[in-house]
Amino acid sequence: DTAVSQTPKYLVTQMGNDKSIKCEQNLGHDTMYWYKQDSKKFLKIMFSYNNKELIINETVPNRFSPKSPDKAHLNLHINSLELGDSAVYFCASSQLQGGGELFFGEGSRLTVL
Amino acid sequence: AQSVTQLDSQVPVFEEAPVELRCNYSSSVSVYLFWYVQYPNQGLQLLLKYLSGSTLVESINGFEAEFNKSQTSFHLRKPSVHISDTAEYFCAVSDLNGNKLVFGAGTILRVKS
Repeated sequence: DTAVSQTPKYLVTQMGNDKSIKCEQNLGHDTMYWYKQDSKKFLKIMFSYNNKELIINETVPNRFSPKSPDKAHLNLHINSLELGDSAVYFCASSQLQGGGELFFGEGSRLTVL
Repeated sequence: AQSVTQLDSQVPVFEEAPVELRCNYSSSVSVYLFWYVQYPNQGLQLLLKYLSGSTLVESINGFEAEFNKSQTSFHLRKPSVHISDTAEYFCAVSDLNGNKLVFGAGTILRVKS
């Protein structure tokens, strides 16, 4: 039973398209995150939600819009995709008071052509 | 704000040899420190963490890391590596709220037979 699951695992699309990545966690955690891992493997936080409320938004273009319908789900929608959006996007969850331990999904590899 | 520097992008080592992966951090406040491991095509998994107490922390698979406040370091060590330890290792830091992890650029550990 996967703790943090993301779909799709692979996504190949053309510039200018709109795409979504879904994330679900069954750990009962209050906080969920989106991280972006670029081609150099550098991981950077994009967003964090706590109980459906946005608490971290790190200088991400407006084309990226997270949505949290409930505390177990955090989806990422990307409009007007650009070449530079190609990356692996990781969803993660944690208990806010849990000493920062994050549980990661397996990642969604987005390739923009 | 916190930052993390991992001084080595790649560390090749022979099986059963000792290894040290270096990590230095910068922060104006007290921090929690973490090492995460990423195996190929997988998400990150927590290896070990320092929250408080003993400055030497250990993982279940033989890794250890020592928090050195004066040198702002949290180097990861293992006295004898296995082929299965081949992976990318990320050092991370958070403030004591623990809700935003900042990652280093990662160190690829390649264990050769």
